[in-house]
Amino acid sequence: GESVGLHLPTLSVQEGDNSIINCAYSNSASDYFIWYKQESGKGPQFIIDIRSNMDKRQGQRVTVLLNKTVKHLSLQIAATQPGDSAVYFCAENVGGATNKLIFGTGTLLAVQP
Amino acid sequence: NAGVMQNPRHLVRRRGQEARLRCSPMKGHSHVYWYRQLPEEGLKFMVYLQKENIIDESGMPKERFSAEFPKEGPSILRIQQVVRGDSAAYFCASSPPTGMVSYEQYFGPGTRLTVT
Repeated sequence: GESVGLHLPTLSVQEGDNSIINCAYSNSASDYFIWYKQESGKGPQFIIDIRSNMDKRQGQRVTVLLNKTVKHLSLQIAATQPGDSAVYFCAENVGGATNKLIFGTGTLLAVQP
Repeated sequence: NAGVMQNPRHLVRRRGQEARLRCSPMKGHSHVYWYRQLPEEGLKFMVYLQKENIIDESGMPKERFSAEFPKEGPSILRIQQVVRGDSAAYFCASSPPTGMVSYEQYFGPGTRLTVT
């Protein structure tokens, strides 16, 4: 069935280090992927997206890598800050008429000062 | 620019009552999505609506749940005869009309439903 899963449920890093959050997806037809950040009690906040015709995209302090061969997605956060502490979700858009997103279970990023 | 708005933010209902959750999309957005999130889980798609049309309701439970997005006014997610298992955070997202560059969905702050 459709699923998006994360390898690491919790990631603890030191402030200033780089963070890498991984995600596996199962639907080969997915053509669009998004990383969201969710702070406690809030809705998901868009971080960065990538289309299936790309393998890398960079934003401010964040980079998303897509490996379609092994159906793997990662989010890299440079110089992690305490404000980055949150749950991070990857989501895939299976395309077609529905445009629905399939979310993974999330990774909790804890930044230690 | 106002983002996606949801109300109420918190809703408490007794078993058997009805819950009505409202969502106003971002200005210019005509597509609305509802997702449900259980504690410590990811969001699960429920339904995708455009004005006056349900496009995909594959994630909606067959009974007690309904959604609408009328020509005027907010989108409504309605849960009849609530049970404790309905307790969750319900998030609404909106996106621009198709044909725009991004599929990005913008999320509201959610409604946290507690059934006692």
